Amino acid sequence: GAVVSQHPSRVICKSGTSVKIECRSLDFQATTMFWYRQFPKQSLMLMATSNEGSKATYEQGVEKDKFLINHASLTLSTLTVTSAHPEDSSFYICSAAGHNGGAFFGQGTRLTVV
Amino acid sequence: QKEVEQDPGPLSVPEGAIVSLNCTYSNSAFQYFMWYRQYSRKGPELLMYTYSSGNKEDGRFTAQVDKSSKYISLFIRDSQPSDSATYLCAMSSGPGNTGKLIFGQGTTLQVKP
Repeated sequence: GAVVSQHPSRVICKSGTSVKIECRSLDFQATTMFWYRQFPKQSLMLMATSNEGSKATYEQGVEKDKFLINHASLTLSTLTVTSAHPEDSSFYICSAAGHNGGAFFGQGTRLTVV
Repeated sequence: QKEVEQDPGPLSVPEGAIVSLNCTYSNSAFQYFMWYRQYSRKGPELLMYTYSSGNKEDGRFTAQVDKSSKYISLFIRDSQPSDSATYLCAMSSGPGNTGKLIFGQGTTLQVKP
């Protein structure tokens, strides 16, 4: 299957700082990437959809100024959590969709804000 | 009512058993159906991807879609302890690059040696 690489896998940061998470499609061009958040023992919650070269579309209730998404190329999307607070601690996962259908997920990033 | 319903389990079976995982949905616009496996603290791994109704087999895994009943299933034959994970169904109205995925809650499976 297609490979999506997400980095870092774990990050601990101080409250008030910003954290950038990268999502790369390694062997295919991803016209669309998705960013999810997952709480323990719960399913994935879609945060935003990013299309290469255009602004991301955020789901209701997701603060676009807090979760900045950039999709500058067909193989890279980034999520920046700005001014992180302990309540932002979560598991963040990206997925990339190619033209052949299906969506392939990265390994996830566990963010802990202290 | 949620768009996609999935029994969260947990489901515990002995090694070698046949496992049946199911999801129901309410949106008749869904055309693309997927099953993902997620190990603890890892991203979901795509197991099966099907379009519209029918069956698809891949090794020990068989996916079935019945659009008339709005019901999808994943069967795992000869289950192994390594199959212990959370299984998520997902569906969308468009292919991966146009359709937003709607996930089930996930079913936790434990296969006991």
